[in-house]
Amino acid sequence: DVKVTQSSRYLVKRTGEKVFLECVQDMDHENMFWYRQDPGLGLRLIYFSYDVKMKEKGDIPEGYSVSREKKERFSLILESASTNQTSMYLCASSQEGAVTYEQYFGPGTRLTVT
Amino acid sequence: AQSVTQLDSHVSVSEGTPVLLRCNYSSSYSPSLFWYVQHPNKGLQLLLKYTSAATLVKGINGFEAEFKKSETSFHLTKPSAHMSDAAEYFCVVSPRGSGTYKYIFGTGTRLKVLA
Repeated sequence: DVKVTQSSRYLVKRTGEKVFLECVQDMDHENMFWYRQDPGLGLRLIYFSYDVKMKEKGDIPEGYSVSREKKERFSLILESASTNQTSMYLCASSQEGAVTYEQYFGPGTRLTVT
Repeated sequence: AQSVTQLDSHVSVSEGTPVLLRCNYSSSYSPSLFWYVQHPNKGLQLLLKYTSAATLVKGINGFEAEFKKSETSFHLTKPSAHMSDAAEYFCVVSPRGSGTYKYIFGTGTRLKVLA
């Protein structure tokens, strides 16, 4: 059974803290994605990675960075958390190649920044 | 440019009655289209996908969707709603052949099933 796991389901951090969200997939997928989900806005792409150490900005990369040192792991970093980064964060992975491949999602991390 | 519009933010149906969740898309390339479901506090699960084969696509849990190029639509249907179908549903378009990995998500339709 395919699996994408995220390090925390719920996280509470203070403004200005550095925050790490981690995602691991066990499907040997080349592509990995970080989204944030906000009510009424659907999912918005923050960053994606198509290979180890490779990354591309998505639609809303400001205030975020990512790291992919190993194929199975993709980390999202909030360098200095702010209250407007309170959101649900979803990680996903997919096979390489045609964009017809579906993405598999983790359970999400609900981050609250106070 | 690519976009997807889910025409209803909320839909309520009675248990046992048909479900229709509407989705229109715009794509410069031949699209791949997906429907995902998200139950409360869970990640997204793929219901079904269209990738240029049959225009009527069957998915899990009795859902199906029909790709209509002339109407640029990909509406999701189910003949008889079950209480467990209550969730949020997302329509997604991905432009094939554009050299991008991007998925464009709709803003979601929350389905409520009344007993």
